[in-house]
Amino acid sequence: GESVGLHLPTLSVQEGDNSIINCAYSNSASDYFIWYKQESGKGPQFIIDIRSNMDKRQGQRVTVLLNKTVKHLSLQIAATQPGDSAVYFCAENMGYGKLTFGQGTILTVHP
Amino acid sequence: DGGITQSPKYLFRKEGQNVTLSCEQNLNHDAMYWYRQDPGQGLRLIYYSQIVNDFQKGDIAEGYSVSREKKESFPLTVTSAQKNPTAFYLCASTAARGNTIYFGEGSWLTVV
Repeated sequence: GESVGLHLPTLSVQEGDNSIINCAYSNSASDYFIWYKQESGKGPQFIIDIRSNMDKRQGQRVTVLLNKTVKHLSLQIAATQPGDSAVYFCAENMGYGKLTFGQGTILTVHP
Repeated sequence: DGGITQSPKYLFRKEGQNVTLSCEQNLNHDAMYWYRQDPGQGLRLIYYSQIVNDFQKGDIAEGYSVSREKKESFPLTVTSAQKNPTAFYLCASTAARGNTIYFGEGSWLTVV
């Protein structure tokens, strides 16, 4: 079946660096994507979303890029802080909350 | 405060017992969902409900049951038929199709 997956399971960066977390998806019909941050023992926290009619969306310190040609999604975090350490999931909304999640990328920020 | 409340946070179940996890939302969202998360894994959909008194199976519904008698409540029962229930359970809700989905803080279930 079609699925959403992540390229890198772990990412370690120094505080202040920019982080880029990647995600590949395979359902070309998907029209809505979400990035979540999950801290240990907590529920996923919404970070940013993007619809398929866009190729870039910016939030506070975060930017999501969508490349429909190669079915690739990325999350960029500017000036990464220790509080950004968490697991990051991309999710594909296949309709009315039927999210398909990737395995997740563990981001570790070193002071 | 508006949000999704799950309880209990931690629950222990003896083999052969049924347990029920509570999920309440005061966001006036129509749709509610239950996901299961195993360590180091992503989330998998158990059940979802788009309106009151209606619900559908997700990808891993076997061994679970739900009800949706009220808009704000969507309890999940983990039955004795679920052979490997130890996991982190997450409830979520959304206002409408294509809208952002918000999650509760989760409930840890452990079989003892």
